[in-house]
Amino acid sequence: DAKTTQPPSMDCAEGRAANLPCNHSTISGNEYVYWYRQIHSQGPQYIIHGLKNNETNEMASLIITEDRKSSTLILPHATLRDTAVYYCIVRVAGVSGSQGNLIFGKGTKLSVKP
Amino acid sequence: DGGITQSPKYLFRKEGQNVTLSCEQNLNHDAMYWYRQDPGQGLRLIYYSQIVNDFQKGDIAEGYSVSREKKESFPLTVTSAQKNPTAFYLCATGQGFNYGYTFGSGTRLTVV
Repeated sequence: DAKTTQPPSMDCAEGRAANLPCNHSTISGNEYVYWYRQIHSQGPQYIIHGLKNNETNEMASLIITEDRKSSTLILPHATLRDTAVYYCIVRVAGVSGSQGNLIFGKGTKLSVKP
Repeated sequence: DGGITQSPKYLFRKEGQNVTLSCEQNLNHDAMYWYRQDPGQGLRLIYYSQIVNDFQKGDIAEGYSVSREKKESFPLTVTSAQKNPTAFYLCATGQGFNYGYTFGSGTRLTVV
């Protein structure tokens, strides 16, 4: 079962920041937080991941709370092409076998509106 | 270009027939994965392989089989034992545990 909780859907106005929350209250010290997104009928696309520090790349920023029990993915200037299902996943790093596999929940369907 | 090729994009089969979905990668990644996605649902892991000639069952392996004879290839066979084979099938690769997965574009299988 997925170890994360996300709202099923969110709306965002084009050009505004989209803030997608994720709760992972049972996260362990050796688990990373990963974010993927899936545009309709395509394979998921990796966005960003982090352990405990905030991370930023060309696509998004990841803010992880100090207690690591929740995180927020920020798309700073959402466009219509950011409309997708966004998945928040926790994953054990540095181990082999099933513990290191990505387990996908149902994610958050983000709709960016003009 | 480096990437993952899944073929075909759409596949139709009659009930009771086995069908094999292709997944080829040129990313030189060690690990490969097969996921199934049903409408409105997340992805569920079918099988995974972390090295050539070795593979493990995922959460929903019943009715499926795989092989990993080459690093580049990880074909999935949907057998007649799979009760509800109609779904979107996604192949992924991974390299190292601090990196994400790379996904193919998927094969949509319809059994009639």
